[in-house]
Amino acid sequence: ETGVTQTPRHLVMGMTNKKSLKCEQHLGHNAMYWYKQSAKKPLELMFVYSLEERVENNSVPSRFSPECPNSSHLFLHLHTLQPEDSALYLCASSQEMGLAGGQDYEQYFGPGTRLTVT
Amino acid sequence: AQKVTQAQTEISVVEKEDVTLDCVYETRDTTYYLFWYKQPPSGELVFLIRRNSFDEQNEISGRYSWNFQKSTSSFNFTITASQVVDSAVYFCALSEAGYGGSQGNLIFGKGTKLSVKP
Repeated sequence: ETGVTQTPRHLVMGMTNKKSLKCEQHLGHNAMYWYKQSAKKPLELMFVYSLEERVENNSVPSRFSPECPNSSHLFLHLHTLQPEDSALYLCASSQEMGLAGGQDYEQYFGPGTRLTVT
Repeated sequence: AQKVTQAQTEISVVEKEDVTLDCVYETRDTTYYLFWYKQPPSGELVFLIRRNSFDEQNEISGRYSWNFQKSTSSFNFTITASQVVDSAVYFCALSEAGYGGSQGNLIFGKGTKLSVKP
């Protein structure tokens, strides 16, 4: 496996279910990200982890719970979601987070998980 | 406030035509980075280019070229001799050193959907 992988690729869940999205990066990066991509809205950053510590949480509802057990894995735990949470959830990684030492690092994205909440 | 505007929602061209995708950004920072990403139907965002705010030199990579103009806060992307495989959604993004430790988060435009017809 190379790059950034995400599982599952497609997920349909009811509003009372609990599920988890998984992301794995094989690039030796130190930073990982969760994004939400809804129809007709820009990509929204949800969470940022740097060296397994959460750095950024852009006011995401508590029904989304991230977990970063190590620098290669990132999870997004979902519970009691709403239909408006249906979207493509993208994971990304970068060598370092953002503008570290004046050097920015491009983010590499996974293929995403298409989530439908019924 | 930081913002990225891609005014063209959808563009349709015939193969071999040249096409320019517009990107206008807003930022208070003097140090920032601009990016273009391509999102094919498979969903995975593919990194195309990164440009820092101190380098206004235009760049060419094969059929792709980028025109960065700080005077107009624009970072436009041109594809020459377009091909069907260029069909995708293209995102322009901005990364800046923010406040309160929020560094380098990518701020995306809404994307431009390019359709290249044979």
